[in-house]
Amino acid sequence: QSVLTQPPSVSAAPGQKVTISCSGSSSNIGDNYVSWYQHLPGTAPKLLIYDNDGRPSGIPDRFSGSKSGSSATLGITGLQTGDEADYYCGTWDRSLSGYVFGTGTKVTVL
Amino acid sequence: EVQLVESGGGLVQPGGSLRLSCAASGFIFNDYAMYWVRQAPGKGLEFVSAINYNGANTYYANSVKGRFTISRDSSKNTLYLQMGSLRAEDMAVYYCARVLGSSWYVDVWGPGITVTVSS
Repeated sequence: QSVLTQPPSVSAAPGQKVTISCSGSSSNIGDNYVSWYQHLPGTAPKLLIYDNDGRPSGIPDRFSGSKSGSSATLGITGLQTGDEADYYCGTWDRSLSGYVFGTGTKVTVL
Repeated sequence: EVQLVESGGGLVQPGGSLRLSCAASGFIFNDYAMYWVRQAPGKGLEFVSAINYNGANTYYANSVKGRFTISRDSSKNTLYLQMGSLRAEDMAVYYCARVLGSSWYVDVWGPGITVTVSS
């Protein structure tokens, strides 16, 4: 059972925007930076956002991250069919002494 | 090119043991902490274990503590996960991952290896 809670699914039409929330606590999100990962079935996950709002080289600026208190948000603008995937937040949990992933959110492009 | 390649997966009976390996290349292995992360069928990503850059510090998920051991061999640029007392709920795709930054996020993932626990 993950300690980071995400909505099971979000959807929008091509070109629209979606946001995915990630709710944690003072021992994880409230205490550390948040990362976001994209995971397509049968492939390795991919880093999208690190340290709350940083984008690795090659990740388009359609993807953005933010954090406030013990919650974080991933935004995807200009939605494309290729964005259909599962998305996970992640951070280190001080109490568990381990990395924790969110419950995961499936993005569907209508 | 930075690359991680897992090996050692397969079919094992409940209660059995298995050792996963992860061969690292294209970067200075000794400079990075590493994770094992898994995904059970129909489930999300789950942190399994972590090891710091020199192997001095290790961390485990409660679900595997006392049964799994993470280690690394700098001379072989290889990460290991020794898994024992395997259960049906350990069946998953296991990913080796490179850890970066002070917040210990994953910047590189291996393609994953499947572990099946069944009699």
